[in-house]
Amino acid sequence: GNSVTQMEGPVTLSEEAFLTINCTYTATGYPSLFWYVQYPGEGLQLLLKATKADDKGSNKGFEATYRKETTSFHLEKGSVQVSDSAVYFCALSAGLTGGGNKLTFGTGTQLKVEL
Amino acid sequence: DVKVTQSSRYLVKRTGEKVFLECVQDMDHENMFWYRQDPGLGLRLIYFSYDVKMKEKGDIPEGYSVSREKKERFSLILESASTNQTSMYLCASSTLRQGTTEAFFGQGTRLTVV
Repeated sequence: GNSVTQMEGPVTLSEEAFLTINCTYTATGYPSLFWYVQYPGEGLQLLLKATKADDKGSNKGFEATYRKETTSFHLEKGSVQVSDSAVYFCALSAGLTGGGNKLTFGTGTQLKVEL
Repeated sequence: DVKVTQSSRYLVKRTGEKVFLECVQDMDHENMFWYRQDPGLGLRLIYFSYDVKMKEKGDIPEGYSVSREKKERFSLILESASTNQTSMYLCASSTLRQGTTEAFFGQGTRLTVV
């Protein structure tokens, strides 16, 4: 079946530090890949997405590149801010198979950015 | 913008009670989902629905049922609440009409069963 593995947290960084959160996946077919963010006390919001190999998703200074050869979708940001403190989820959506378009999530990585 | 609204942010229920969690979306999405979120486990799919009156079991359906009588509304039912169902519950919706499969989430309901 489909699965997503992401690095365990919590990750604690100083403001303006470089961020990488690793994400690898296992899937049949050609999934779409997503990063969602959850701020304290809120639901999940889509941060960025990529729908095919070599696509780069980007939003709010965050980037991730769909690497089919390494089955990875690592999240990066060059300079984090305190306001980026949240939980980040990597997810995949399989194509139209018997499972429809279900999302499969990783376990989440908590990021804390300090001044 | 898509809006997914869950009826309650916080609920406290007693063991054995029948609990209804309601979710409404306003973008005519055909797909709706219920997840539960627990620390260290991420999001796990309970049930989903492709269309009105259609439902499919997710990864952890035991102890839950769902109802979708109208396209915009998807209800999660705990037939007899137990303490191990204390969790954050997230509703989501999606569509394939734009050729994408991203999901839009509600704000979550934190359920405590005592």
